[in-house]
Amino acid sequence: AQSVTQPDIHITVSEGASLELRCNYSYGATPYLFWYVQSPGQGLQLLLKYFSGDTLVQGIKGFEAEFKRSQSSFNLRKPSVHWSDAAEYFCAVGFIKAAGNKLTFGGGTRVLVKP
Amino acid sequence: DTGVSQDPRHKITKRGQNVTFRCDPISEHNRLYWYRQTLGQGPEFLTYFQNEAQLEKSRLLSDRFSAERPKGSFSTLEIQRTEQGDSAMYLCASSFRDLGNNEQFFGPGTRLTVL
Repeated sequence: AQSVTQPDIHITVSEGASLELRCNYSYGATPYLFWYVQSPGQGLQLLLKYFSGDTLVQGIKGFEAEFKRSQSSFNLRKPSVHWSDAAEYFCAVGFIKAAGNKLTFGGGTRVLVKP
Repeated sequence: DTGVSQDPRHKITKRGQNVTFRCDPISEHNRLYWYRQTLGQGPEFLTYFQNEAQLEKSRLLSDRFSAERPKGSFSTLEIQRTEQGDSAMYLCASSFRDLGNNEQFFGPGTRLTVL
């Protein structure tokens, strides 16, 4: 069965500093990978996704992620964090088969931004 | 607003009562998903529909839970005889089945509190 691990439950970062959120997955084939962000009281917003091709993907809000097959990882990065980036971030894995593509989510990483 | 909508946004009920939630997906989307998110956790897949057919159900979906999508448009999720363990955020998502694009768009969720 597929699984997703986000090792860091909380991360605190200073505004303007760089941010990296870790994501590791366990799956028997090449997965489809996603990063979502959830602000308090809000639904999930897609930041970026990887299906195939270039392993470095760019997303919205200045985020990027790199797929490393050898490490089964899909880490999310942002060079300079803004206070508005304080939120919870979820990595998710999906796969495509005839019957559909449910997502399996990690436990999330809560990001706090210090002034 | 052309996004996924959910109603109600919040529901407080007493243990043993029945509750029903509604999800309206993006109009051209033929796939609809239900997820449950408990506090401090990532969303967990419950069930999904392609058009009006319910194609997959998670083991999390006990006999007290039932979901429908009668005309392939909106969906309802009913919980009978609610228990305190049912307290969670219930998220709905939709997608359009198209090779290469399986992005799921999430609604704001319905937060259920069972007293």
